Amino acid sequence: SQQGEEDPQALSIQEGENATMNCSYKTSINNLQWYRQNSGRGLVHLILIRSNEREKHSGRLRVTLDTSKKSSSLLITASRAADTASYFCATEGGLGGGSQGNLIFGKGTKLSVKP
Amino acid sequence: DSGVTQTPKHLITATGQRVTLRCSPRSGDLSVYWYQQSLDQGLQFLIHYYNGEERAKGNILERFSAQQFPDLHSELNLSSLELGDSALYFCASSVVLGGASGELFFGEGSRLTVL
Repeated sequence: SQQGEEDPQALSIQEGENATMNCSYKTSINNLQWYRQNSGRGLVHLILIRSNEREKHSGRLRVTLDTSKKSSSLLITASRAADTASYFCATEGGLGGGSQGNLIFGKGTKLSVKP
Repeated sequence: DSGVTQTPKHLITATGQRVTLRCSPRSGDLSVYWYQQSLDQGLQFLIHYYNGEERAKGNILERFSAQQFPDLHSELNLSSLELGDSALYFCASSVVLGGASGELFFGEGSRLTVL
């Protein structure tokens, strides 16, 4: 079963624009992670934000976490054609939820960045 | 290159058959996870092994089984295959017991087609 759900399911933007993807989850978490997947390839870890953090940056990536709303957002600034991929949020269940230690992934946002 | 190796990359077989997918985790990683990715179900957690012991089961069918060997490589066995088993099967590894302390490293997947 899905823990996280990304929104939108698909996003198409022009190069240079910012892309924002959202993730909502259902139960309490220890951390939330974002992964990227190029078509038909393995997933690659982008960033991890812990439940006691509100915002985290890594290069052109900015992740926010609102545990009161059980939601997270991933912002990619100044997007490039090479950012075209699917982006997934993943959560590991904390107390009272999920399977501890096992990441549960959402269905992903398919991002298309047009040159 | 994540350091996780999966074989075979592609596999075509017939309904009713049995296949074995193999995964070599990153050097030093004790945890191995198996995921199934299909268009309709998304990325589904199947099973987790840590240092040879099964730690958690997800949406794994009874026709599927897995094991982790003393050298830490893992195999996923799929039997009595059905058309709906066609999917991309990913193996991921991490050094710790769970994802709480860090990321999962994914292999490139094994694409199974059941005809």
